[in-house]
Amino acid sequence: QITLKESGPTLVKPTQTLTLTCTFSGFSLSTSGVGVGWIRQPPGKALEWLALIYWNDDKRYSPSLKSRLTITKDTSKNQVVLTMTNMDPVDTATYYCAHRRLIRIAAAYDYWGQGTLVTVSS
Amino acid sequence: EIVLTQSPGTLSLSPGERATLSCRASQSVSSSYLAWYQQKPGQAPRLLIYGASSRATGIPDRFSGSGSGTDFTLTISRLEPEDFAVYYCQHSRAFGQGTKVEIK
Repeated sequence: QITLKESGPTLVKPTQTLTLTCTFSGFSLSTSGVGVGWIRQPPGKALEWLALIYWNDDKRYSPSLKSRLTITKDTSKNQVVLTMTNMDPVDTATYYCAHRRLIRIAAAYDYWGQGTLVTVSS
Repeated sequence: EIVLTQSPGTLSLSPGERATLSCRASQSVSSSYLAWYQQKPGQAPRLLIYGASSRATGIPDRFSGSGSGTDFTLTISRLEPEDFAVYYCQHSRAFGQGTKVEIK
């Protein structure tokens, strides 16, 4: 059974750096084709894709946020870490991590964490 | 970058009716990476459809996906009470803005 859980601060101040950890079980991030992504959702708004890391350490970032994001993995700990620099109140959102599966020639996020609400405020 | 535009923004229907949701891409995209998700208040999104037309595990057959190129559709053949929610399409790094299916 695949599970993912996000952890990190619930409140950060403007200009600070946010560090979120996704701890997962039920799969290995060393398995070919597997990825873990981060997606966020401001209150009452739509989903926004942030970043993705693949089993082979290949990384993808949102073009609009690329300069502020870093995604890394620790395969031995079954964790993926997302850092976002220079936080602003507009970054207030629920942050999700999700398992990306390759299904034959298709790919999608088939398991999601419960999400963690991060508020940016002084 | 690909932009996904969903329409309508809100769909007001009654249980038992058919729902047709649209997702249009700003340029032709691979169907392999087109997915649909359902989200209910306070919950994480749930994968419904991947590869534009394949149902995810455990998804009822009243949900179906179709389309190719720039135009994709999610159809719910007969709405059940638990289907009233927000639906998002997604391709690679992009999500649509969502369609809310509400009870009329």
